[in-house]
Amino acid sequence: EAQVTQNPRYLITVTGKKLTVTCSQNMNHEYMSWYRQDPGLGLRQIYYSMNVEVTDKGDVPEGYKVSRKEKRNFPLILESPSPNQTSLYFCASSPGDRGFTDTQYFGPGTRLTVL
Amino acid sequence: RKEVEQDPGPFNVPEGATVAFNCTYSNSASQSFFWYRQDCRKEPKLLMSVYSSGNEDGRFTAQLNRASQYISLLIRDSKLSDSATYLCAVNLRGYSTLTFGKGTMLLVSP
Repeated sequence: EAQVTQNPRYLITVTGKKLTVTCSQNMNHEYMSWYRQDPGLGLRQIYYSMNVEVTDKGDVPEGYKVSRKEKRNFPLILESPSPNQTSLYFCASSPGDRGFTDTQYFGPGTRLTVL
Repeated sequence: RKEVEQDPGPFNVPEGATVAFNCTYSNSASQSFFWYRQDCRKEPKLLMSVYSSGNEDGRFTAQLNRASQYISLLIRDSKLSDSATYLCAVNLRGYSTLTFGKGTMLLVSP
């Protein structure tokens, strides 16, 4: 089944404790992206990747890192999480080299709480 | 003007009603427009791309008005299952990034 998977789905952690949220897609998509969604603020893009080893900042990259060593994986790293990073996070992927202009497929989301 | 703006709603309509959502965007050079549907606490799913000539998919019609910089979504004969939040998305800054509106909530009642 074609899908985007994220792990973990739910995470409660404490300030400063490094964490990684994994994202994997099995559709051989070139474009991948991370968003966060907050009440009243909507979906905001954190980072995106047009292909392996190519990543770039979205609208709200501060406090996050990403890597794209393999086409299928695009982990989101929080080196020192803070309470303002408490949010619902979505990973998404698109088929080709036209960025998101192809259909974007979203993962199921990761609900992160930073205490 | 806010970058991508939507009426937050909620829009409360009875089954069978026709409902329309608008979404305004700030960059006149934007080229790609989309409507997504998001059920509560679930991931967004693409509902429709919006083409210059307008497009229709069953009960759903999407339109683009470049002069006034807005896109619209019309839902005819609303069903209970249409209850969701509808997000518009626009490429404000090139083909690598997509900016979403905050969404409009639709509640269809029996």
